[in-house]
Amino acid sequence: AQRVTQPEKLLSVFKGAPVELKCNYSYSGSPELFWYVQYSRQRLQLLLRHISRESIKGFTADLNKGETSFHLKKPFAQEEDSAMYYCAVKGSTLGRLYFGRGTQLTVWP
Amino acid sequence: DAGVIQSPRHEVTEMGQEVTLRCKPISGHDYLFWYRQTMMRGLELLIYFNNNVPIDDSGMPEDRFSAKMPNASFSTLKIQPSEPRDSAVYFCASSPNDREQFFGPGTRLTVL
Repeated sequence: AQRVTQPEKLLSVFKGAPVELKCNYSYSGSPELFWYVQYSRQRLQLLLRHISRESIKGFTADLNKGETSFHLKKPFAQEEDSAMYYCAVKGSTLGRLYFGRGTQLTVWP
Repeated sequence: DAGVIQSPRHEVTEMGQEVTLRCKPISGHDYLFWYRQTMMRGLELLIYFNNNVPIDDSGMPEDRFSAKMPNASFSTLKIQPSEPRDSAVYFCASSPNDREQFFGPGTRLTVL
């Protein structure tokens, strides 16, 4: 069964500090993973996907199949990064994404 | 493009009343999803449709919840009767494929 675990509900860092939001998954097969973000008073939106190997707003995430992890990282956090972040894995059922419970990131000035 | 449209944005009702949430997906998207967001449980998938057909409703909490998609441009999520524990933000999302989902602004439901 597909599962996504985000162990931290809340994460706080100071501006300029590195930040890592943890995500672990369970999936049989070749997983596809995503990070979604919800800024205050905005819609939940796709931040990045592992197959694109892209950096968005300074964030990167590397899929580690050995550790079944897809942690989201940014070397220097900014106040505007404060948001709720959800990790998701594409399920074997067509169309379905499985979301973690989310991590609320707060970046202090 | 206005994206996914949900109405109402806020709903306050009393326990026992019927609540109907509405969603208009992005035109051309084949998938439509209903989610519930709470602090305790995060983002939960309630049900989703592909080409207007319900595919997986295993996340629907109980018989009080029902969802319909009568056509490609409209879906409803109904709670009857509503209970205080149903208070949450309900999101609708649509997708053109089985990867990226586009979310609506959500409906904040409060059941007193």
